[in-house]
Amino acid sequence: DTAVSQTPKYLVTQMGNDKSIKCEQNLGHDTMYWYKQDSKKFLKIMFSYNNKELIINETVPNRFSPKSPDKAHLNLHINSLELGDSAVYFCASGQGGQTQYFGPGTRLLVL
Amino acid sequence: EDQVTQSPEALRLQEGESSSLNCSYTVSGLRGLFWYRQDPGKGPEFLFTLYSAGEEKEKERLKATLTKKESFLHITAPKPEDSATYLCALIGGATNKLIFGTGTLLAVQP
Repeated sequence: DTAVSQTPKYLVTQMGNDKSIKCEQNLGHDTMYWYKQDSKKFLKIMFSYNNKELIINETVPNRFSPKSPDKAHLNLHINSLELGDSAVYFCASGQGGQTQYFGPGTRLLVL
Repeated sequence: EDQVTQSPEALRLQEGESSSLNCSYTVSGLRGLFWYRQDPGKGPEFLFTLYSAGEEKEKERLKATLTKKESFLHITAPKPEDSATYLCALIGGATNKLIFGTGTLLAVQP
């Protein structure tokens, strides 16, 4: 059983388009996260949701909008995609300040 | 500001040649220090969590240790399958966000 899953795995799109990435966890955790890994492989947090409530927003452009329909799902919608949005996006889940478990990543390429 | 610095950036070892990866950190109120392994094209895979200075955790050829300023990931008699990027991260203060280092790319040659 996959603990944290993301779809799609790859996303290639044109500048200006809108796209969504979906994430699901079956670990029963209350908190889910979105991280961005840039071309230098540096991982940085973007958002965190706890029981469907946004608790961390790391000054990400408002073109990025996370949505959590329930505590097992956290989606990321990106409007008006830009070249600089190309990166790998990872979803993670955890319980409180404990270990976070990561999904396989979504590789986004904006042309 | 909480910060994590990993060294070296890259390390090449011969199979069986033991070594250590370093993670130095500054944080206000450490709540956990985490080690992850990341293979190309995959998500970070959890290895260890350390909570307080003096703590050690072991798994197969890997051992993680923690002091008040740094953590080490010791690799004993590595094998080629240990080749990966090793990431150090911490959670500090009142938030639950992981602060990552830039990782150490380990290559173990047969």
